[in-house]
Amino acid sequence: SQTIHQWPATLVQPVGSPLSLECTVEGTSNPNLYWYRQAAGRGLQLLFYSVGIGQISSEVPQNLSASRPQDRQFILSSKKLLLSDSGFYLCAWNSPHRIATNEKLFFGSGTQLSVL
Amino acid sequence: RKEVEQDPGPFNVPEGATVAFNCTYSNSASQSFFWYRQDCRKEPKLLMSVYSSGNEDGRFTAQLNRASQYISLLIRDSKLSDSATYLCVVNDYKLSFGAGTTVTVRA
Repeated sequence: SQTIHQWPATLVQPVGSPLSLECTVEGTSNPNLYWYRQAAGRGLQLLFYSVGIGQISSEVPQNLSASRPQDRQFILSSKKLLLSDSGFYLCAWNSPHRIATNEKLFFGSGTQLSVL
Repeated sequence: RKEVEQDPGPFNVPEGATVAFNCTYSNSASQSFFWYRQDCRKEPKLLMSVYSSGNEDGRFTAQLNRASQYISLLIRDSKLSDSATYLCVVNDYKLSFGAGTTVTVRA
C-alpha cells in the first residue's frame, strides 16, 4: 500500500532563517506531488505541484521554492523565512494519471511552521 | 469571487441530529467533487467523492447540483466523532479547496 511521510511535524524558526521540509512517498511510482499551505481558519492554498523529477510548477509567487530530486521525494525550501510564511504545510500525492481528472489526494501529516 | 466557497459555521448540533451544509463553486466546467474531513491540526482525509447522481455512504449523503453549482453534505444521526471541519474540493484543471465548514456535535 502507498504511504506518505512528511517531517518535521512542528517547526519554530526565526525570521530570516532558511527552511527545508521534506516529503517522501512509498508504494507508488511517478506520483503527482503537491505542497499546500493552510493559514489559520483558511482553506488550503496550492503552492507547488510536480508531475515528475525536476518538473515543478508554482501556483503563487512567494519566497518559497520546491524541488523534486527523486521520483518520490518532494522538498519545500526557503532561503529566508518571513513572518507571513507561518502556517500548516501539507504534502500530498495522487495518481500519476492525468492531473485534471478526478484523482483523490492523499496527504502527509503536515508541518506546523511558526516563524517568530 | 472565490473558486470554492463554504459557510464556515460553526454548526453546533446535538448527538443524533441531522446537519447539512453546502459548498458553491464558480467554474461551471468543474469535473469532479469531493468532501474531505479535517480534524484540528491534522491532515485532511477523504470522506467521499460526489457523483452527479448523488451518493450515500452510511450516515453521509453527498449531492451535486450542476445547474446551481453547488454540492452538499448531509450527516444523519450525528455522532460526537463527527465533530470536525469538512472541506469541499472542486476539480477543474486543479484541485481547489474551500476554507471548510466546522461541525461540532455535543452530547
